[in-house]
Amino acid sequence: GQQVMQIPQYQHVQEGEDFTTYCNSSTTLSNIQWYKQRPGGHPVFLIQLVKSGEVKKQKRLTFQFGEAKKNSSLHITATQTTDVGTYFCAGSTGNQFYFGTGTSLTVIP
Amino acid sequence: KAGVTQTPRYLIKTRGQQVTLSCSPISGHRSVSWYQQTPGQGLQFLFEYFSETQRNKGNFPGRFSGRQFSNSRSEMNVSTLELGDSALYLCASSLVIAGGEQFFGPGTRLTVL
Repeated sequence: GQQVMQIPQYQHVQEGEDFTTYCNSSTTLSNIQWYKQRPGGHPVFLIQLVKSGEVKKQKRLTFQFGEAKKNSSLHITATQTTDVGTYFCAGSTGNQFYFGTGTSLTVIP
Repeated sequence: KAGVTQTPRYLIKTRGQQVTLSCSPISGHRSVSWYQQTPGQGLQFLFEYFSETQRNKGNFPGRFSGRQFSNSRSEMNVSTLELGDSALYLCASSLVIAGGEQFFGPGTRLTVL
């Protein structure tokens, strides 16, 4: 069945270091979304990527959608303590969203 | 615009009981999806409703059911509760089916004893 895998599961970084999480799908996706969930909170939409090879930036965050539309990545430059949380990718096949397992980011001051 | 609201926020039940959770989407949103979130399994898709019809369904047993009303509000029901049903149940509303930004509610924390 459809699966969206996300790695790593956990990541601890020193404040100021970079961070990347990767998302891989077993099938081609029509689009991919990224969400952030703060501890004790609910997922909040960050961005949606639709086109093959698309790259989008939001300040220190860079999102990429693979050429084959089967993988995606989120890169954070110079992490800050406000970046703490779990980052989820969610791939859509047009019928439903398949959430990745999430990457929990801890930023050490 | 008010966000997605879910009631109740916390619920404690015992095995064998049933429970109904409620979700009110953002005004104008006709799609409501339900997810189960547990530490070990992450976010698992339960089902999606659009215009009072179930459009998509995840791999959950028939004990999990839902419905959507004409005002787009949705309810989720779990019958014959099991210990493993303890989780955070999140609903999300969207303008379109399986393609648009999803706005999540705060969730209902269900504990089954």
